Amino acid sequence: NAGVTQTPKFQVLKTGQSMTLQCAQDMNHEYMSWYRQDPGMGLRLIHYSVGAGITDQGEVPNGYNVSRSTTEDFPLRLLSAAPSQTSVYFCASKRGNQPQHFGDGTRLSIL
Amino acid sequence: SQKIEQNSEALNIQEGKTATLTCNYTNYSPAYLQWYRQDPGRGPVFLLLIRENEKEKRKERLKVTFDTTLKQSLFHITASQPADSATYLCAPRLNAGNNRKLIWGLGTSLAVNP
Repeated sequence: NAGVTQTPKFQVLKTGQSMTLQCAQDMNHEYMSWYRQDPGMGLRLIHYSVGAGITDQGEVPNGYNVSRSTTEDFPLRLLSAAPSQTSVYFCASKRGNQPQHFGDGTRLSIL
Repeated sequence: SQKIEQNSEALNIQEGKTATLTCNYTNYSPAYLQWYRQDPGRGPVFLLLIRENEKEKRKERLKVTFDTTLKQSLFHITASQPADSATYLCAPRLNAGNNRKLIWGLGTSLAVNP
């Protein structure tokens, strides 16, 4: 049982480039979310999904897009990377009111 | 706005002692509060959840208390071990109408010295 898997683990981009951070879970959880974690700030919610075909914005959604075509996958897209998006990104999933399961993160640097 | 405060200073304790971590919140009343552990380079891992109508929750060497009057949760690790060294995150759940979300603290770094 792999849990929540995030790829890649590390990525360096140039300003203006686009990329997709992948997240997959094998626990059949309906709820999935993306957070970013920055020094001096708590985890901040970017986007979340309560089921396939349904997504919504979190606290800091600007500059990011998401889609949820299957229960298992929830990719996060950066359309035009900016230095302010340098961060560690975590994907999480859960069922109902149960606690969240997190992946091990993607460390993203934008030059 | 909602605010969470955890011990800002790193906590260093001797192996075998009890570690006590503090989580204070302001401007709202959470329905429940979660504690997570985060190791360097890893994602947070859930430890314990305590609800607003519970005073105390235990799991093995871990104990969490929840004082809704003081707006505070305390997280205790008894008989601490070097393997307990990590950052511990507090996350109260905001539950106001349609605005339901976890608010995350910055975490407290704990180092248990052998």
